Amino acid sequence: GIQVEQSPPDLILQEGANSTLRCNFSDSVNNLQWFHQNPWGQLINLFYIPSGTKQNGRLSATTVATERYSLLYISSSQTTDSGVYFCAVENTGNQFYFGTGTSLTVIP
Amino acid sequence: EAGVTQFPSHSVIEKGQTVTLRCDPISGHDNLYWYRRVMGKEIKFLLHFVKESKQDESGMPNNRFLAERTGGTYSTLKVQPAELEDSGVYFCASSQGWGRGNEQFFGPGTRLTVL
Repeated sequence: GIQVEQSPPDLILQEGANSTLRCNFSDSVNNLQWFHQNPWGQLINLFYIPSGTKQNGRLSATTVATERYSLLYISSSQTTDSGVYFCAVENTGNQFYFGTGTSLTVIP
Repeated sequence: EAGVTQFPSHSVIEKGQTVTLRCDPISGHDNLYWYRRVMGKEIKFLLHFVKESKQDESGMPNNRFLAERTGGTYSTLKVQPAELEDSGVYFCASSQGWGRGNEQFFGPGTRLTVL
């Protein structure tokens, strides 16, 4: 299967700071999604972004498919942004391959 | 429009017992997937239904796991008998089509704890 690497594995931010999370993948992909797993374990869809750039409030994402990476930007971070951020890619038609995630802690 | 729903949100059982997880996909989505995250590892694919048929069950760990989707609507995932290593979060997702251009919408997950 396709390999998905996320960096950094852990990140601690002061509230109000900005951050960039990276996702590298080993092969061309059909689909790419970013998720936020909150402290209760729920997986929240953030972006469906196989290519290009999207923005949703304080979050934005960019995927450069030809170079096999995607970036998730978080601006003016808040404590509610804490949790694990996953990147997932699909290239076989159905199953997504997930990275190991970036664990984000935002401190007040 | 309602999203993917899963029931229960949390289940605590003893080793050797049986548990059944349920997933209701988004209405009209023919494709339904099960994934799980165990032991703090990465989230992994279990299987994929197209309507009531199993399109791909390559991720099912062993024969203690049985997934069904009778009638092509909701799906159940039964674990019998449960083992300690089955503890984790089980996610369901659905999509309208599959492959390029099809976003998968994930449910909130069921947290399974086997004691």
